[in-house]
Amino acid sequence: AQSVTQLGSHVSVSEGALVLLRCNYSSSVPPYLFWYVQYPNQGLQLLLKYTSAATLVKGINGFEAEFKKSETSFHLTKPSAHMSDAAEYFCAVTRYGSSNTGKLIFGQGTTLQVKP
Amino acid sequence: DAGVIQSPRHEVTEMGQEVTLRCKPISGHDYLFWYRQTMMRGLELLIYFNNNVPIDDSGMPEDRFSAKMPNASFSTLKIQPSEPRDSAVYFCASSFPGGQPQHFGDGTRLSIL
Repeated sequence: AQSVTQLGSHVSVSEGALVLLRCNYSSSVPPYLFWYVQYPNQGLQLLLKYTSAATLVKGINGFEAEFKKSETSFHLTKPSAHMSDAAEYFCAVTRYGSSNTGKLIFGQGTTLQVKP
Repeated sequence: DAGVIQSPRHEVTEMGQEVTLRCKPISGHDYLFWYRQTMMRGLELLIYFNNNVPIDDSGMPEDRFSAKMPNASFSTLKIQPSEPRDSAVYFCASSFPGGQPQHFGDGTRLSIL
């Protein structure tokens, strides 16, 4: 079975500060991992994805995430927060390759607040 | 390119009425997913289809909920009869196979009075 845990349902940072959103996964098979962002009154938008290539993945809006197999983590970072980054962020996992069922397992989400 | 299109964007109706939510997936995507999002329960997968066939409906809360996908370009989620606790934002998403990312619509905000 696969699962995702996002540590911290709410994270607050000052504008210009480092953003770190934590995600740990559990998977008995190699995973694909994703980060999505949801702005108010909108659907989820893909930020970045890990699909077994480079372990450091760069996404849109200056975000990146590093896949660490030994720590079963896929934390999302951004060096300098912008007010427009305030949103809810979801980490998700699915199975790699031919064993994939199409289904994503989502974490509970982390709300990022950016203070001026 | 057109993304996933959902209609209506907002729906307000009275308890007991039938509600039909509609979704047009991205052309060529093999998978279609229906989710429900509430403050209390977060994002829940209700049902998903592969090549128009329902694969897993274990997330459908009750028999009042039903979903169909008559062809590759259209799906509906129906609630009959509706209840106030069904109030939520309902999202449709679609994807290619093989663990590719899901693309979400903007959702339908449903309010049952």
